Amino acid sequence: KAGVTQTPRYLIKTRGQQVTLSCSPISGHRSVSWYQQTPGQGLQFLFEYFSETQRNKGNFPGRFSGRQFSNSRSEMNVSTLELGDSALYLCASSPGTGGFNEQFFGPGTRLTVL
Amino acid sequence: GENVEQHPSTLSVQEGDSAVIKCTYSDSASNYFPWYKQELGKRPQLIIDIRSNVGEKKDQRIAVTLNKTAKHFSLHITETQPEDSAVYFCAANPGGTASKLTFGTGTRLQVTL
Repeated sequence: KAGVTQTPRYLIKTRGQQVTLSCSPISGHRSVSWYQQTPGQGLQFLFEYFSETQRNKGNFPGRFSGRQFSNSRSEMNVSTLELGDSALYLCASSPGTGGFNEQFFGPGTRLTVL
Repeated sequence: GENVEQHPSTLSVQEGDSAVIKCTYSDSASNYFPWYKQELGKRPQLIIDIRSNVGEKKDQRIAVTLNKTAKHFSLHITETQPEDSAVYFCAANPGGTASKLTFGTGTRLQVTL
């Protein structure tokens, strides 16, 4: 099976702009979770989508949003970018049913906000 | 919410020695505890996990132990090799959720020759 893919791999934006990141899960996986990784805060959970619905949410401001399509692909959007949003954004896919299953991470999108 | 603490933040061992990384969690409803290895510039990869109905799990040179009463779990790597050098993260699923993980802050393991 093909692994989790994320596009783009690198992004440079300026403060105030918005950005959209994409994640394609492993075929058959219906759950996609998003994490932000920074040197200072580590890996932090943003939100999770399952069958096109947000099922879990972390403690991030409303500028961070996401959605999932019928083919399980997911996008996350960050509006009004701030310098502190510079991070590696990782998505992870899993089957999403039958209790906790292994989450498979994508390679990440490195976002730099100038 | 769930809080996962991880120690030590850095660990240096000689090749062939053992390495132990410890984590504590706060949410007694957590029932899934994975360990991830992240090499420089790479994605996190699951190396072992344990569920709350098991006290210990082993996979070749890697083992994890769980003490539900004390709310702590540990990663043990025996006969370390240079390729074990990486950052290791523990995690727990708050509230027993099916797909949300709270991560520890990571341990940078350096295996020296």
